[in-house]
Amino acid sequence: ETGVTQTPRHLVMGMTNKKSLKCEQHLGHNAMYWYKQSAKKPLELMFVYNFKEQTENNSVPSRFSPECPNSSHLFLHLHTLQPEDSALYLCASRGGGDYNEQFFGPGTRLTVL
Amino acid sequence: QKEVEQNSGPLSVPEGAIASLNCTYSDRVSQSFFWYRQYSGKSPELIMSIYSNGDKEDGRFTAQLNKASQYVSLLIRDSQPSDSATYLCAVIIPTGRRALTFGSGTRLQVQP
Repeated sequence: ETGVTQTPRHLVMGMTNKKSLKCEQHLGHNAMYWYKQSAKKPLELMFVYNFKEQTENNSVPSRFSPECPNSSHLFLHLHTLQPEDSALYLCASRGGGDYNEQFFGPGTRLTVL
Repeated sequence: QKEVEQNSGPLSVPEGAIASLNCTYSDRVSQSFFWYRQYSGKSPELIMSIYSNGDKEDGRFTAQLNKASQYVSLLIRDSQPSDSATYLCAVIIPTGRRALTFGSGTRLQVQP
């Protein structure tokens, strides 16, 4: 499989559930990102990992917990979410060097009931 | 002031015409500029990147950057109905995180 993959593609969960989103990149990149896209709002950065180390938490509530076990995998653990957290969650990866091109996975469409 | 501003549209052009999409950014030290295309229900797809002043052409797409005016644009020549999508302008400010700051996007409609 090539590029950036995300699972699941769709997720419906209740406010008391715990679930995890998974992202895997096959591009040999060193940086991985989580973004959130809500209806009628610009894409928002959530977390940044460089070489497995978290370098940015963009004031994200603690009910979102990222994990990056290696440079190819990124998880977003979800617990006690709110209906307003319903959105498209996008993972992206970026290679090294001066060029900062980021490539996105297909996203997980999350609905919180 | 928003960091990256785009007209939300919709921008409607007839098939075969040139579509012109515009974006302004607020941080003068921004260095890397990108255009992504996003079809409804899909994730953003990188279509152009530009790093220095001037024009960059790739097929039917031309990106134009003017750092003095803090302005970046995307021209789509010979527009096709399949080009109908939301076009997102994104900027990287050279801090350590190198994360993208996005505009809200311009919706393009190409009329057959």
